[in-house]
This record gives sequence, structure tokens and C-alpha cells, in this order.
Amino acid sequence: KAGVTQTPRYLIKTRGQQVTLSCSPISGHRSVSWYQQTPGQGLQFLFEYFSETQRNKGNFPGRFSGRQFSNSRSEMNVSTLELGDSALYLCASSAGTSGREDTQYFGPGTRLTVL
Amino acid sequence: DQQVKQNSPSLSVQEGRISILNCDYTNSMFDYFLWYKKYPAEGPTFLISISSIKDKNEDGRFTVFLNKSAKHLSLHIVPSQPGDSAVYFCAASWSNDMRFGAGTRLTVKP
Repeated sequence: KAGVTQTPRYLIKTRGQQVTLSCSPISGHRSVSWYQQTPGQGLQFLFEYFSETQRNKGNFPGRFSGRQFSNSRSEMNVSTLELGDSALYLCASSAGTSGREDTQYFGPGTRLTVL
Repeated sequence: DQQVKQNSPSLSVQEGRISILNCDYTNSMFDYFLWYKKYPAEGPTFLISISSIKDKNEDGRFTVFLNKSAKHLSLHIVPSQPGDSAVYFCAASWSNDMRFGAGTRLTVKP
């Protein structure tokens, strides 16, 4: 089974720009979650999509948004980029049917640098 | 606010010895805990979990201990192997909320 893939792997943007990151889950998985990882902060939950609907949301500003398509692929968008948005963005897929006891499988992440 | 803390950013142990990674949490509502391992340039991979109804869960060389009264979680790796060198994240959840610690970098020396 192919793992979770994320594109692009690296991205450099400037302040004020917007960015879209993509995540393709494991085949058959219907849940995709997004996380931001910054040094010293660990992973912070952004949001989870299940069957094209946002099921859970973390405590991030509205500049961070996402969506999920009918094939379960998900995109995350960040508008009006700030320097503090520089981070590794990870997505994780799971079957989505057993709640928090579903095993999450993470992609390799997209390293976003905002200059 | 950091509800899950891993106070040791790094840990170094000798191959064959025990590695003990620690994690503290502040929210008494957390009732499900997980450990993930992360290698460079890869996403975290799930290692082991424990529900709050247990105080210990074992899986091969990995054992997770939960002390609810102290709000403390630990991961024991016995014996440690060089391939265990990675960053370890603990996570705690309740309802639909999951929080991660900042990670501890484990180095196992041959």
C-alpha cells in the first residue's frame, strides 16, 4: 500500500503571499488531519477532514483553511503568510471510523519557509 | 498553552541499555495517550498507545507507563538499539482534542 504523500516537499514564499499544500492519503482512508510543527512547539493540530467535511478544528486563525475532495485528497491553504508560519506541515490519514483510536499515518511533510 | 510537555529535548543512551522518555500533561481530561517516533525527512510513525484505564502497555521492546495521579507518561525502550535514534513525540487526547509534546531526540550510541 502506498503511504501518505505530500506535495510539494519544500516551499519558499514571501510575507503576504498565499500557499496551497496538498496531501494524498492512503488508499481507502477517509480522514485527513493537518498539523503544524515548529521547533519547541511540537505538533499542533490544524483541522481534520472526513468525507469532504471538516470534522474537527484546532485553534488557528482563519487564514488557515482546508478542503477535502471526493477522492479523499486534501489541500491546505494559508493566506496572507506571516514569518511565523514557517514550519513543517504534516498531514496524517486514517480510516476515520474508530475515533481517536484510529492509527494515524503521517506523510513526510511540506517544509514552508516564509521570507 | 502547552498542555503536554516533554521537558528533556534530548537523551543519549548506550546500545543495549534502557531508554526512558518522559512526558507530563496538565489536563486531567486526557484519557488516551500515544507515542510517535520521527526520523529526519519522514513523518511521525505511531509506536504505542495507552488508555487511561490501564497503567501499562507493552509491545515488544516498547512499554508505556501511565501515572494518572502524577499526570505523567513514560516510554521505556529495552534494549535500546542504534536504529531507535529518532525524535519521540508523546500525545494526549480526550474527545476530539489531541495535543502533542515538543519531542525528545533520542540518540543510541553503539
